[in-house]
Amino acid sequence: SQKIEQNSEALNIQEGKTATLTCNYTNYSPAYLQWYRQDPGRGPVFLLLIRENEKEKRKERLKVTFDTTLKQSLFHITASQPADSATYLCALYYNQGGKLIFGQGTELSVKP
Amino acid sequence: DAGVIQSPRHEVTEMGQEVTLRCKPISGHNSLFWYRQTMMRGLELLIYFNNNVPIDDSGMPEDRFSAKMPNASFSTLKIQPSEPRDSAVYFCASSLGRDPTDTQYFGPGTRLTVL
Repeated sequence: SQKIEQNSEALNIQEGKTATLTCNYTNYSPAYLQWYRQDPGRGPVFLLLIRENEKEKRKERLKVTFDTTLKQSLFHITASQPADSATYLCALYYNQGGKLIFGQGTELSVKP
Repeated sequence: DAGVIQSPRHEVTEMGQEVTLRCKPISGHNSLFWYRQTMMRGLELLIYFNNNVPIDDSGMPEDRFSAKMPNASFSTLKIQPSEPRDSAVYFCASSLGRDPTDTQYFGPGTRLTVL
């Protein structure tokens, strides 16, 4: 079965730096991949979607890359702010399964 | 729009009791999803509906779990009888259509504790 790996250890960075989060998967590539933000006590919030034929997607300070050869997606937040502190989840969609499969998430902490 | 509404926000019950979780999707959305989130297993899809019809319930853990969507504005997830291992946060989400790229909007979740 498909396995999704995100860094289980929290990522601590200084305000203003670029945060980079990793999402690795096994076996076959998904049709598309999504990134979500989740704050404590709240539901996930959709951020970005990238399709398997796309290399990179940007939205304001966010950038997502998708490398089907490495079976990896990277999620970047540039000029990070303390308000960016949250858990970030990647989710993969496979046409065969017809549903989103979520990673465990990586907790990001941005210190002022 | 008020977003996806879930009730109750917190539920504490004893093993063996019936638990009913409720969800009101965003008006106009045709797809509804029930997820469960735990530390061990992360966020898992339990079941999803399109136009009030269950499309995929392969994630429902066992017969103790059941879900209904009697109309476009209401869904329930029932656990009977509940067990301590059912303790988790249960999220409801809705999306506009059946296109898998449609954004899913999540509710605030119901934190269930089964003693």
